[in-house]
Amino acid sequence: GAVVSQHPSRVICKSGTSVKIECRSLDFQATTMFWYRQFPKQSLMLMATSNEGSKATYEQGVEKDKFLINHASLTLSTLTVTSAHPEDSSFYICSRRRRGNTDTQYFGPGTRLTVL
Amino acid sequence: GIQVEQSPPDLILQEGANSTLRCNFSDSVNNLQWFHQNPWGQLINLFYIPSGTKQNGRLSATTVATERYSLLYISSSQTTDSGVYFCAAYQAGTALIFGKGTTLSVSS
Repeated sequence: GAVVSQHPSRVICKSGTSVKIECRSLDFQATTMFWYRQFPKQSLMLMATSNEGSKATYEQGVEKDKFLINHASLTLSTLTVTSAHPEDSSFYICSRRRRGNTDTQYFGPGTRLTVL
Repeated sequence: GIQVEQSPPDLILQEGANSTLRCNFSDSVNNLQWFHQNPWGQLINLFYIPSGTKQNGRLSATTVATERYSLLYISSSQTTDSGVYFCAAYQAGTALIFGKGTTLSVSS
């Protein structure tokens, strides 16, 4: 069964608005969660790593003020796209892994964001 | 950081044919996973295979860690196998880094 859930699965918004995407770890407390972005017909690109109780670590080129990540609890991480623009339209996928370096990484079903 | 390269980028097969997808990685890794992304975008985990060989039905995978590559074998392909196959790897303390994928099209 699904071990990572995301909400919403699809969102359409007007340019300039903010959108929040929730990612939940369903079967265990995830100390580390990851956010990826995928443009059409491209690969997944890591945006940031989120650790519970601390600030997220962003990959080079990802604007931390635009993509706000909050790892509020051991089972919930949120990504807020602030002042969204059409170029932010993409497929956003969260992922989590257990503590440790050798475990399988599981992915949520993704959120398709369309900014008009 | 680690680089992950996949080949071929595209593959077209007739139903029933066998295929091999390759993944090269630039450094030693703690984990390597193969995924199939379905038409709705969901990543289906096929194998967790940092080394060795695993089989699951018509699919099997082999990772030769010392030579930094992994292979995904699909036997007797079916139209439902169509989609994008990703290889991804990580080193200690990092997240999975994805290759660009192989788009497989199986026709009947």
